[in-house]
Amino acid sequence: GIQVEQSPPDLILQEGANSTLRCNFSDSVNNLQWFHQNPWGQLINLFYIPSGTKQNGRLSATTVATERYSLLYISSSQTTDSGVYFCAVDLTRAAGNKLTFGGGTRVLVKP
Amino acid sequence: NAGVTQTPKFHILKTGQSMTLQCAQDMNHGYLSWYRQDPGMGLRRIHYSVAAGITDKGEVPDGYNVSRSNTEDFPLRLESAAPSQTSVYFCASSYPGHNEKLFFGSGTQLSVL
Repeated sequence: GIQVEQSPPDLILQEGANSTLRCNFSDSVNNLQWFHQNPWGQLINLFYIPSGTKQNGRLSATTVATERYSLLYISSSQTTDSGVYFCAVDLTRAAGNKLTFGGGTRVLVKP
Repeated sequence: NAGVTQTPKFHILKTGQSMTLQCAQDMNHGYLSWYRQDPGMGLRRIHYSVAAGITDKGEVPDGYNVSRSNTEDFPLRLESAAPSQTSVYFCASSYPGHNEKLFFGSGTQLSVL
């Protein structure tokens, strides 16, 4: 099956720093999404981004589908950015979000 | 709209007991799915449904049953719970198209002793 690998596994940032999280996948995809799981366990959808670049406030994401990777950028990090960031992909072209999740990047932003 | 609502938030079961985890969505989403999250294993899909009356198996379906009698509800049933089913369970929903965001409920933390 499809492999989804995220790096780095852990990241410690000082508040205000910028960072880049990476997601590599082993096959072409038609659906890629980024999620943030906060320290209370809630999963929030950040981006639907099978290709191209999107921005939402201090977060932005870029997917280069032909090279099978996606990047999530966090700028001017805040303590509320702490948590685990997941990349998830779907290989199929059938209806529905049959997402396969990567192992996540655990981010800790220190004040 | 409440979004995706899961109940209960926490539960403890004894081995062999049965239980139904509830999932309800009020966003008129056709697609519903169940995931389990385990340390070191990430999120894995258990079962999913693209519409009422249609269900299918995900990556880890053994030991779980689902049914979909209407658009709103998608209960997950554990017929005879095992300690290996100790996990955090998430229900997720979206429109059933090809470019729709997936939205998660707040999760159910289940312990099987």
